[in-house]
Amino acid sequence: DAKTTQPNSMESNEEEPVHLPCNHSTISGTDYIHWYRQLPSQGPEYVIHGLTSNVNNRMASLAIAEDRKSSTLILHRATLRDAAVYYCILHGGHDMRFGAGTRLTVKP
Amino acid sequence: GAGVSQTPSNKVTEKGKYVELRCDPISGHTALYWYRQSLGQGPEFLIYFQGTGAADDSGLPNDRFFAVRPEGSVSTLKIQRTERGDSAVYLCASSPSPPGGPNTGELFFGEGSRLTVL
Repeated sequence: DAKTTQPNSMESNEEEPVHLPCNHSTISGTDYIHWYRQLPSQGPEYVIHGLTSNVNNRMASLAIAEDRKSSTLILHRATLRDAAVYYCILHGGHDMRFGAGTRLTVKP
Repeated sequence: GAGVSQTPSNKVTEKGKYVELRCDPISGHTALYWYRQSLGQGPEFLIYFQGTGAADDSGLPNDRFFAVRPEGSVSTLKIQRTERGDSAVYLCASSPSPPGGPNTGELFFGEGSRLTVL
């Protein structure tokens, strides 16, 4: 299975941008890059996904490296409600396998 | 309901007992997934259904675990002879389309069923 590598934890100040990195050096040509986040005591929540081009939605932006071996989830202005565990996942088949993710702490 | 519904939200049982956890996916979603999550870990894939059939059950840890989706909607995860190590949050997710399409992969998760085996 293709795997991803993320830092265990990151901190950010409220109202500042946050860049969450993900390495996926073994990505295949058909793998989509997905990001989910999980707030405390809730199920994971879809954030964004992409294949080759950068993507923007109301929640975040996804920047994908030209060689697709890494990507970055960008939260443009972190709020306290963005404190969560963020998962980067490669999805090329039917299964979506989560790693340990990055725990984001947002300081007021 | 509008989202994925899981029942019970909490289940406490004794070692050796049988447990059923139910998942009611979003109406019309053909794909259904079960995961389990231990404290401090990411969700661990258990099984994937496309319609009524289990397309991939490679994540089920052993033969004490079984899941069904007889009519392609509601699914039940069944655990026999529960062990203390089965204690976890069991998450269900559904998706509107089979994987591989252009909108592939957006999963909608329920809030989970917390299982505690004493």
